[in-house]
Amino acid sequence: EVHLVESGGVVAQPGGSLRLSCAASGFNFEDYPMHWVRQAPGKGLEWVALITRDSVHTNYVDSVRGRFTISRDNSQNSLYLQMNSLKTDDSALYYCVTQIGGWVFWGQGTLVTVSS
Amino acid sequence: QAVVTQEPSLTVSPGGTVTLTCGSSTGAVTGGHYPYWLQQKPGQVPRTLIYDINKRHSSTPARFSGSLLGGKAALTLSAAQPEDEADYYCLLSYSVWVFGGGTKLTVL
Repeated sequence: EVHLVESGGVVAQPGGSLRLSCAASGFNFEDYPMHWVRQAPGKGLEWVALITRDSVHTNYVDSVRGRFTISRDNSQNSLYLQMNSLKTDDSALYYCVTQIGGWVFWGQGTLVTVSS
Repeated sequence: QAVVTQEPSLTVSPGGTVTLTCGSSTGAVTGGHYPYWLQQKPGQVPRTLIYDINKRHSSTPARFSGSLLGGKAALTLSAAQPEDEADYYCLLSYSVWVFGGGTKLTVL
């Protein structure tokens, strides 16, 4: 069974930094691209970042490019999101997500609140 | 980056039929966008209903169907049930993923 568990969400100040982690299990982690998706309270889903299986390619939504960095460690079955220069608009539930065989798998999310 | 548009809200009567649509700012939605439809109920993680335009997941009720309609992806719900009240999101793949803004479906 695919299992994705996010961690690292806390209350942070504007301009601060955070690192989110996602522990994956139940599938061959190294075989699949991984994504971060976020959802602000009461708002819709927003794709944030993508990393390919081999970490060669990454991509970001325009609003976070240059501030966030997605990475992975296939030996640890782990996905990361380094978040720098945080803004209040970055406040959201952050999901670790992958797509396998037509099904989109989600973690339960980790809550990031950016507030002074 | 592309913008994906959905109806903000729709209402359907119990037992009725409703179609939700998903458009792309870059032009017609095609199979190359691998359209997904996701359902999210309050406090829950989104759940896949439809993938690759019209492929239904094994757990998706048969009353949900996907198609391409007039240059958009479409999700049709037939014989709506009260438990279908939820937010529905379209997901299109470009070189990245783009979600639609979501449709709040009320069954009333």
